[in-house]
Amino acid sequence: AQTVTQSQPEMSVQEAETVTLSCTYDTSENNYYLFWYKQPPSRQMILVIRQEAYKQQNATENRFSVNFQKAAKSFSLKISDSQLGDTAMYFCAFFGVTSGSRLTFGEGTQLTVNP
Amino acid sequence: GAVVSQHPSWVICKSGTSVKIECRSLDFQATTMFWYRQFPKQSLMLMATSNEGSKATYEQGVEKDKFLINHASLTLSTLTVTSAHPEDSSFYICSARDWGGGLAQHFGDGTRLSIL
Repeated sequence: AQTVTQSQPEMSVQEAETVTLSCTYDTSENNYYLFWYKQPPSRQMILVIRQEAYKQQNATENRFSVNFQKAAKSFSLKISDSQLGDTAMYFCAFFGVTSGSRLTFGEGTQLTVNP
Repeated sequence: GAVVSQHPSWVICKSGTSVKIECRSLDFQATTMFWYRQFPKQSLMLMATSNEGSKATYEQGVEKDKFLINHASLTLSTLTVTSAHPEDSSFYICSARDWGGGLAQHFGDGTRLSIL
């Protein structure tokens, strides 16, 4: 079974600064996807970024980028130029193409951006 | 982008009544939909996987007779909480996988259920 671990329950950052959220996972599969989801106070789950395991290039989406280290099974999220609207719970998630049909979520990291 | 519509967003009802929550994929076909429950400040807990045209697969510990799931079409799944009690009060979120969109799961906005 896959596991996803987010070791930082809470983090804070000053507006306009950069912050990195960590995520590690454990799997025996080679074909999988990794995701970061954002859940603001409204509780809507928003897909932030996606990484295919077979791609060596790290995914980027505007101010959001990942550092995908496949051998280390690490998938961190970097948020540049943090904005107040980035305040949210962030969930790392794993999907194994071979093994099953479900997402496995980490416990989440509550990020607070301070003015 | 892919949109999942969930409603109602908030429902309050008396103990003993049944409540139905709808989940629709608006611009893609979803052969598989998922129902989650989330407690405050916690991660999402998968309750069941809903497959179009077949019975749902429930996670261990989830009462299938209490949480009825129907996935009658490629764009609609429903969750009915039967004979609801205060302990069923929670935040319920549905999700649908977009197989043609990089396997991402897209989520509805959630339903806040309060049982009095």
